[in-house]
Amino acid sequence: GAGVSQTPSNKVTEKGKYVELRCDPISGHTALYWYRQSLGQGPEFLIYFQGTGAADDSGLPNDRFFAVRPEGSVSTLKIQRTERGDSAVYLCASSLRGQGGSPLHFGNGTRLTVT
Amino acid sequence: AQKITQTQPGMFVQEKEAVTLDCTYDTSDQSYGLFWYKQPSSGEMIFLIYQGSYDEQNATEGRYSLNFQKARKSANLVISASQLGDSAMYFCAMREANSGGSNYKLTFGKGTLLTVNP
Repeated sequence: GAGVSQTPSNKVTEKGKYVELRCDPISGHTALYWYRQSLGQGPEFLIYFQGTGAADDSGLPNDRFFAVRPEGSVSTLKIQRTERGDSAVYLCASSLRGQGGSPLHFGNGTRLTVT
Repeated sequence: AQKITQTQPGMFVQEKEAVTLDCTYDTSDQSYGLFWYKQPSSGEMIFLIYQGSYDEQNATEGRYSLNFQKARKSANLVISASQLGDSAMYFCAMREANSGGSNYKLTFGKGTLLTVNP
């Protein structure tokens, strides 16, 4: 079946601009995660949704970052006033239950470059 | 303190040989889970294997097995009969309960880059 889909695959933007990154999870998965991966590092947790609500947004670096999942399926990560330090690969993952042994299934990521 | 430590930035193995990738973890929880993921150069994160803290037996999935030593807090990945396609970054991750008692977030290590030589 279809996996997690992320669009765009690449995004180049100028410092100070606003960007939106989209994630379409696996159908039926209630748990959705956003992670950020910098070069040579493991993924870092940003935010977790269970259904429509953000159950844990403790990983968002500051208030320029925001994410929504209005209907409990597609999610959008929004970054305002982008900075060069925001450049990274943004990974979305979904999970059937979001707990126990239920693994995270990742999309291919959006590579964000802020110039 | 690091939750997940992968001490081998890079590993080399000959094709058809076995290789062990190390992972140690730090938690005070009794209930937690350990995961291994593979990330080829194409970038996708591929789930390989899971071990629950209460599982008596070491997890196995095809050529992958997890050498779980609870007292040492280690969860090493063993890949048998290495193939050229195994060349990739490998990440160890842990799911533990947060302060509210929920158990959902995975914390990843920095990874080990495995190169399989022909």
